[in-house]
Amino acid sequence: AQKVTQAQTEISVVEKEDVTLDCVYETRDTTYYLFWYKQPPSGELVFLIRRNSFDEQNEISGRYSWNFQKSTSSFNFTITASQVVDSAVYFCALGGSQGNLIFGKGTKLSVKP
Amino acid sequence: EPEVTQTPSHQVTQMGQEVILRCVPISNHLYFYWYRQILGQKVEFLVSFYNNEISEKSEIFDDQFSVERPDGSNFTLKIRSTKLEDSAMYFCASSEAEEQFFGPGTRLTVL
Repeated sequence: AQKVTQAQTEISVVEKEDVTLDCVYETRDTTYYLFWYKQPPSGELVFLIRRNSFDEQNEISGRYSWNFQKSTSSFNFTITASQVVDSAVYFCALGGSQGNLIFGKGTKLSVKP
Repeated sequence: EPEVTQTPSHQVTQMGQEVILRCVPISNHLYFYWYRQILGQKVEFLVSFYNNEISEKSEIFDDQFSVERPDGSNFTLKIRSTKLEDSAMYFCASSEAEEQFFGPGTRLTVL
């Protein structure tokens, strides 16, 4: 069975703190994709990153970085020097061989000034 | 930049009524999806569509649901007889490869 677990339901930080959002996945597929989406209060789903199962290189994009570790089936997301505009619900998702995405329950991040 | 659009942004209906949610995927994309998100919960896959037929569907996508691509641009989700528990945000997505682009969603409220 395919599953995505985001154990942190809510996280609250103060602006400029670093924060890491955890994601653990389960799949039997040998080829799969991992995603992070941001859902701000306005409700839309904003694509942040895609990673395929053969590429374990970590990625950095500005204040965002992602750590993919196949050995622990984890794909964690770190925001450095958080800002109030980072406040949102963040979803980790797994894309399997059939194409549909399986989402985790999301982590609500609140960044306070 | 091309984007997925959805109409209406909010639909209110009475229980038992039929609703049609509309989506215009990105024009060169071949794969289309519907997802739903009950308020405060995770996003759940409903159905995927490719080459004018359903390629996969979840347990949620029962006989009350249907999808159609009536012309070259629209992709619709029909709920035949709405129930209270169908109240949710419905997202359409399209892709040409692995990355799915989501529309802004339609909030469906069933009274």
